[in-house]
Amino acid sequence: DTEVTQTPKHLVMGMTNKKSLKCEQHMGHRAMYWYKQKAKKPPELMFVYSYEKLSINESVPSRFSPECPNSSLLNLHLHALQPEDSALYLCASSHPTGGSHNEQFFGPGTRLTVL
Amino acid sequence: AQSVTQPDIHITVSEGASLELRCNYSYGATPYLFWYVQSPGQGLQLLLKYFSGDTLVQGIKGFEAEFKRSQSSFNLRKPSVHWSDAAEYFCAVGPRHTGGFKTIFGAGTRLFVKA
Repeated sequence: DTEVTQTPKHLVMGMTNKKSLKCEQHMGHRAMYWYKQKAKKPPELMFVYSYEKLSINESVPSRFSPECPNSSLLNLHLHALQPEDSALYLCASSHPTGGSHNEQFFGPGTRLTVL
Repeated sequence: AQSVTQPDIHITVSEGASLELRCNYSYGATPYLFWYVQSPGQGLQLLLKYFSGDTLVQGIKGFEAEFKRSQSSFNLRKPSVHWSDAAEYFCAVGPRHTGGFKTIFGAGTRLFVKA
C-alpha cells in the first residue's frame, strides 16, 4: 500500500468552529508532514513529525495544532481560523532517514474554506 | 541560500509535441532532486527522482529528466505530450542526511496542452 489518505476531502468552517483534519498511511513511514498550499503556489511546510515527535514547526500560528497519535496517523486540529487560512492542506509521509528513502508521498489533500 | 528556480510560470504545447520544463537549483551539496506533478485540487505525485548514478533518470508516464551538475539543472522532458499531461509541475530538492526533512519546492510551471 503506497497511499496516503486524507479526510475530509472538503471542509467548510466558521471562524469560531473547531475541526480536525486526518491523515493516515500504512507504508511504515516514520516521518509525517503537514503542508499548506494556496492557489498557484507551491506547498509550504507547516509541521514535521519524526517517530511521533514534533520535529519541525515552521512558526505556524497556534490556531493550528498538530497531533501524531501513532506511527500511522497524523491529525491537524483547527480552532478560530481566519479566512486567509483557506487553502489546500496536504499531508505527506516518508522514511526519516536520509538518502534514497526520503522521498515524500503526498495525500490528495483537504480543501479548507473558512467563512 | 538553498533555492529552486523554475523560470517558466506557464508553458503551452500542442498535443504530440515534445516538452521540456526547466529547473535550476542552488544547494550547498549534491542535492536529492525530484519532479512532482499536481492536477487541479489534487495532491502531488512523484514523477521521478535523482539521487546518484546515471544522470538521465526515467520516471512514470513517459517522463525523463537529466541532472547536469555543471549547470545546476534538472530539466524534465517528454517526447510526446498527451492532453492528460496538463497540470502543474514542481521541481524540488531535498536533503540527503538523516533527519533532514525540508524539501524546497520551485514555484511551479503550469502546463497547458492544446489540441
